[in-house]
Amino acid sequence: GNSVTQMEGPVTLSEEAFLTINCTYTATGYPSLFWYVQYPGEGLQLLLKATKADDKGSNKGFEATYRKETTSFHLEKGSVQVSDSAVYFCALLVMNTGFQKLVFGTGTRLLVSP
Amino acid sequence: EAEVAQSPRYKITEKSQAVAFWCDPISGHATLYWYRQILGQGPELLVQFQDESVVDDSQLPKDRFSAERLKGVDSTLKIQPAELGDSAMYLCASSFLSGRVRGNEQFFGPGTRLTVL
Repeated sequence: GNSVTQMEGPVTLSEEAFLTINCTYTATGYPSLFWYVQYPGEGLQLLLKATKADDKGSNKGFEATYRKETTSFHLEKGSVQVSDSAVYFCALLVMNTGFQKLVFGTGTRLLVSP
Repeated sequence: EAEVAQSPRYKITEKSQAVAFWCDPISGHATLYWYRQILGQGPELLVQFQDESVVDDSQLPKDRFSAERLKGVDSTLKIQPAELGDSAMYLCASSFLSGRVRGNEQFFGPGTRLTVL
């Protein structure tokens, strides 16, 4: 089947610390991979994506590389800010009955303190 | 910047009552999705429309949930009767391209938070 596994949170960091949120997946077929971010009380916003192996998605200082050999798409940021506090969702997009379906992980809450 | 609109933002109802949520996708987006997000979990797809047609409703509890997109633009999701376990965030998303296109990005609305008492 298709599934996404993320590291459990919360991840608690001090401002300017290095961030890694692990994400691994299982998929039938060749998925596209996404990271979405959800701020309190809001919907999901696309953070970055990668559509093929070895692609690196990047946005707002965040980056993730599509690793087919390890079925992983870990999210990293070199220096986090308090404003990065949110819930981060890893997701894969796979073909299902002729249409693509987005499958999400359970989310990882990030808390950044000043 | 174009956004997906949803209303209401919050809804409190008693069990066995009927509730309805509305979604207006980004103009020109052919594909529309309804997701349910239970607190502490990731969103799960309930139903997917391509224009006015349902293309995937395999996870929609059809005994109590219904969804329509009559003119292929805005959409309504209904629950009747509501149960305690339906308390969740209901998210609408849309995408420009057909769901058949690889890497097709989905844009999400702010969601409707439903509380069933």
